[in-house]
Amino acid sequence: EAQVTQNPRYLITVTGKKLTVTCSQNMNHEYMSWYRQDPGLGLRQIYYSMNVEVTDKGDVPEGYKVSRKEKRNFPLILESPSPNQTSLYFCASSSLTENSNQPQHFGDGTRLSIL
Amino acid sequence: DQQVKQNSPSLSVQEGRISILNCDYTNSMFDYFLWYKKYPAEGPTFLISISSIKDKNEDGRFTVFLNKSAKHLSLHIVPSQPGDSAVYFCAASVSPQKLVFGQGTRLTINP
Repeated sequence: EAQVTQNPRYLITVTGKKLTVTCSQNMNHEYMSWYRQDPGLGLRQIYYSMNVEVTDKGDVPEGYKVSRKEKRNFPLILESPSPNQTSLYFCASSSLTENSNQPQHFGDGTRLSIL
Repeated sequence: DQQVKQNSPSLSVQEGRISILNCDYTNSMFDYFLWYKKYPAEGPTFLISISSIKDKNEDGRFTVFLNKSAKHLSLHIVPSQPGDSAVYFCAASVSPQKLVFGQGTRLTINP
């Protein structure tokens, strides 16, 4: 089954304690991206990656890091989490084909609470 | 600044009637538009899309209309069914895969 898998689904942690949210896709997609969803703001892009070792900032990258060492994995790293990073996070992936817009496939989300 | 806006946070429609969800955008460079549907505790799922070279795209009960001069996008669902109750996000892109999302509209279909 084609899917994007995020772990953990829920996490409550404390300010300053480094955490990593993993994202894996089994569709051999080149493109992967992280979003956060906040009330009244919709989904905002944090970082994206067009392929292995190619990453770039989205609209709200502050406080986050990513890496893309393998095609299937795109972890989101919070080195020193703060309460304003409490949010619902989504990972997405899609195929990059010339002259075509391919819809993104989303994971089921990770709800982070930073106390 | 919000480049893609969904001004109605919620919408309630009777089963069998038409649901119309609206979306406005400010960036005239957007050339591709999508609608996603989201159920609780799940990720958004792609519903329907439209390129800026078209003004209408249909897929079963779902039709998306694009009015470029007004920078307005709408999604029509007819007839509406209880399973259509969800949050709907419109999204727009300038470059492939860099999407800008609206705030979402919660649609409730009443029996």
